[in-house]
Amino acid sequence: AQSVTQLGSHVSVSEGALVLLRCNYSSSVPPYLFWYVQYPNQGLQLLLKYTSAATLVKGINGFEAEFKKSETSFHLTKPSAHMSDAAEYFCAVSPYTGTASKLTFGTGTRLQVTL
Amino acid sequence: ETGVTQSPTHLIKTRGQQVTLRCSSQSGHNTVSWYQQALGQGPQFIFQYYREEENGRGNFPPRFSGLQFPNYSSELNVNALELDDSALYLCASSRGGTGGNYGYTFGSGTRLTVV
Repeated sequence: AQSVTQLGSHVSVSEGALVLLRCNYSSSVPPYLFWYVQYPNQGLQLLLKYTSAATLVKGINGFEAEFKKSETSFHLTKPSAHMSDAAEYFCAVSPYTGTASKLTFGTGTRLQVTL
Repeated sequence: ETGVTQSPTHLIKTRGQQVTLRCSSQSGHNTVSWYQQALGQGPQFIFQYYREEENGRGNFPPRFSGLQFPNYSSELNVNALELDDSALYLCASSRGGTGGNYGYTFGSGTRLTVV
């Protein structure tokens, strides 16, 4: 079984400050890991994904995440927050193999960016 | 790329009724998954179809059923609607049988309200 835990349901940062959204995973098999962003009344947009290549993954909009197997973590970071980054962020895990590669999502972290 | 489109965007149904939600997958994507996202929660996996066959199912009762067509469009059918079925229903498509290595493209969802 696989699961993800997102620490902090709400995170507030000032514009220009570092963004750090935490995700820890549990998986009995090598995982694929994803970060998705969801703006109000919209679907999910893929920010980045880890697929067992480089452990530091760069995504869209200046976001990146580092896979740390020893810590079972895949935290999302951005050096400088913009107002447009305010949204809901979901971490998700999928098994490396298998025909039914369902995504298991965390409960989400709402990012607020203040002036 | 045409993206993933879902219809309708919003829907109101009465308890006990049946509903069909539709999804048009991204061109070339032969895997489609459906997710249910209750308010304030992360998406929950309903089932996945690969080449018109169901090849994975989450913890949802049989009154949730689906179809995938040769043109990569798909349907989610829900019978005997219950109030708890009120949620955002998301369709996600991917290339390949596993989906994990390619990532999923999500539609904007159908907001179903059961009254």
